[in-house]
Amino acid sequence: QSALTQPASVSGSPGQPITISCTGTSSDVGSYNLVSWYQQYPGKVPKLMIYEGSKRPSGVSNRFSGSKSGNTASLTISGLQAEDEADYYCCSYAGSNWVFGGGTKLTVL
Amino acid sequence: EVQLVQSGAEVKKPGESLKISCKGFGYRFTTNWIGWVRQMPGKGLEWMGIIYPGDSDTRYSPSFQGQVTISADKSISTVYLQWSSLKASDTAMYYCALPAGTPYWGQGTLVTVSS
Repeated sequence: QSALTQPASVSGSPGQPITISCTGTSSDVGSYNLVSWYQQYPGKVPKLMIYEGSKRPSGVSNRFSGSKSGNTASLTISGLQAEDEADYYCCSYAGSNWVFGGGTKLTVL
Repeated sequence: EVQLVQSGAEVKKPGESLKISCKGFGYRFTTNWIGWVRQMPGKGLEWMGIIYPGDSDTRYSPSFQGQVTISADKSISTVYLQWSSLKASDTAMYYCALPAGTPYWGQGTLVTVSS
């Protein structure tokens, strides 16, 4: 059960879209529609942004969207804002437990 | 309102034992899996394991099997994370959380292990 693979960092300018990928295997991301995405600011508790691949919890901006193709899930943020600068983690069900990605630091230029 | 309330920060020496707790409020505790997540300083999130309080069925992530013990006392809606012999590398923030896909996390318990 290895960690899911995310890019260590991504960056974008305000107003631009960015996408963060999350690559797993046929034992986790590829087998279940149970990928979630969390946003974490330094020193804060992670916040759920996307669940079940593409669903947004109440209160999360519709600028955040999720998708999946094969063993890779993606988080897209449209219209980047300064407040989006944070760490982002994907997470997938893996049959008997859960597994996180290594995390991606998003920098808003 | 669903809440997970964790015990306070701990400072321990290597070799000491420790048990931290997480109490659930506002939901049916016995019929929901609940897990523990580790975050080492400056590092990412790691699922340690999950437990079903109704029957204490416990699943550990391979990296944590044999390193910690997860348990539950359903009579007081509380889950525990326990170490028998702490190491400096156990220094981390520990969160309890309902399984990924829900927004419910505890506030975190900072464990510092230092001689």
